[in-house]
Amino acid sequence: SQQGEEDPQALSIQEGENATMNCSYKTSINNLQWYRQNSGRGLVHLILIRSNEREKHSGRLRVTLDTSKKSSSLLITASRAADTASYFCAPASNTGKLIFGQGTTLQVKP
Amino acid sequence: DVKVTQSSRYLVKRTGEKVFLECVQDMDHENMFWYRQDPGLGLRLIYFSYDVKMKEKGDIPEGYSVSREKKERFSLILESASTNQTSMYLCASAQSVLRAKNIQYFGAGTRLSVL
Repeated sequence: SQQGEEDPQALSIQEGENATMNCSYKTSINNLQWYRQNSGRGLVHLILIRSNEREKHSGRLRVTLDTSKKSSSLLITASRAADTASYFCAPASNTGKLIFGQGTTLQVKP
Repeated sequence: DVKVTQSSRYLVKRTGEKVFLECVQDMDHENMFWYRQDPGLGLRLIYFSYDVKMKEKGDIPEGYSVSREKKERFSLILESASTNQTSMYLCASAQSVLRAKNIQYFGAGTRLSVL
C-alpha cells in the first residue's frame, strides 16, 4: 500500500511555536497532498506538492517532499489555537487516487 | 467555492435496516468518493465513481453498494445495516484523477450509529 504514514500521531505545542508533521509512503507518486480536519468535520485541502517539486509554501504552511526517501513534511509556523486539528497526508498514485493515513492530531495550547 | 453536501449529519438506524447516505456536489466534478473513518484506522475508501453509472470498489466495499444516476449525486447504500458499520462516513468529489486536478473536496460527514 502507498498509504501515507504520519508521524507523530499526536503533537501538543504552545501557541506561537512551530509544528512539524512527517509523512512516509511506499510507492511512486504523482503528487502528495495535505489535508486538515477539524473535530467531527470533513477534510479540507491545504496544499499539493508535485513529484518534481521539493518545497512549497502557502501562508504559514511549508511542505517539503523528498521522493528519494519517500517522505514529506508539513511545517506550520507561528501556530495558533485555531490550528488545532488533525492533519493528513495523502500520496496520489499515477492513477490519481489518494490514500489517506491515520493523521497527526495537533493541539495548540493558548 | 466547491460545495459537497451530505444529506444528514447524524443518523441512527437499527440492525438490518436498509440505509441510504446521499451526497451532492455542485461543481460538475467527474469523480466522487465514499470513505469511512474510524479511530485508529484513518480514512478507508469504500467505493468511488469516475462517471455517471460507473463505479469501482475501494478497499472495503463489503456490505455496501453505490449508485450514481446523475453526475452531481453519489449515494452510498447499506443493504442490511450491521453494528460494525457504525462509523463516520465522508463523501468527496474531485475534478478528475489527472495530475494536479485530483484535489478532493469533502462534505461535512455523516455520523451513523447502527443499534
